[in-house]
Amino acid sequence: EVHLVDSGGGLVQPGGSLRVSCAASGFTFSNYEMNWVRQAPGKGLEWVSFISRSGNNIYYADSVKGRFTTSRDNAKNSLYLQMNSLRAEDTAVYYCTRDPGDGSLDYWGQGILVTVSS
Amino acid sequence: DVVMTQTPLSLSVTPGQPASLSCKSSQSLLQTNGKTRLYWYLQKPGQSPQLLIYDVSNRFSGVPDRFSGSGSGTDFTLKISRVEAEDVGVYYCMQTIQLPVTFGGGTRVEIK
Repeated sequence: EVHLVDSGGGLVQPGGSLRVSCAASGFTFSNYEMNWVRQAPGKGLEWVSFISRSGNNIYYADSVKGRFTTSRDNAKNSLYLQMNSLRAEDTAVYYCTRDPGDGSLDYWGQGILVTVSS
Repeated sequence: DVVMTQTPLSLSVTPGQPASLSCKSSQSLLQTNGKTRLYWYLQKPGQSPQLLIYDVSNRFSGVPDRFSGSGSGTDFTLKISRVEAEDVGVYYCMQTIQLPVTFGGGTRVEIK
């Protein structure tokens, strides 16, 4: 069974940094592209980032480009999102999602809340 | 960016009755390989979004056959043939024909 477990969220001050992680199990992690999607409280879904299977190709939403860094460790079946220079508008639940390469985001983690506030 | 517009914003449905949700994209989602990159998700209260439909009309594994998707180009529809209590939540459409991936604003379905 596919499992994606998001972790590492919490409260951080504006301008601060935080890293969220996603632990994958139940499938061959290195065979799948991965994405991060976020959802501000009471709002809709916003795509954040894509990373290819090897990690060689990474894309970001304009809203986070230059501040967020996505990476993966296929040996550890893990996905990461390093968030720097955090702003209040980055407050959201962050979900890791699996991408089987057909364009869909077929499985989602349970999400982890990141709150940026002083 | 491809703008996804969903209507209505909310829908109140009597159990057993049908429901129809609309999603329109600002440009065609048809790829040169013939596939159309349009997906539907349901986010139940307090849960992560779950994939219902991929490539316009294909039900994802385990999705009941009361859910069906249709459409082409820029106009798409999700239909629930007989709404059940467990179908409440917010439905989102999504496109992946180009980055950034974009979602519609969602349609909230509630039970009367």
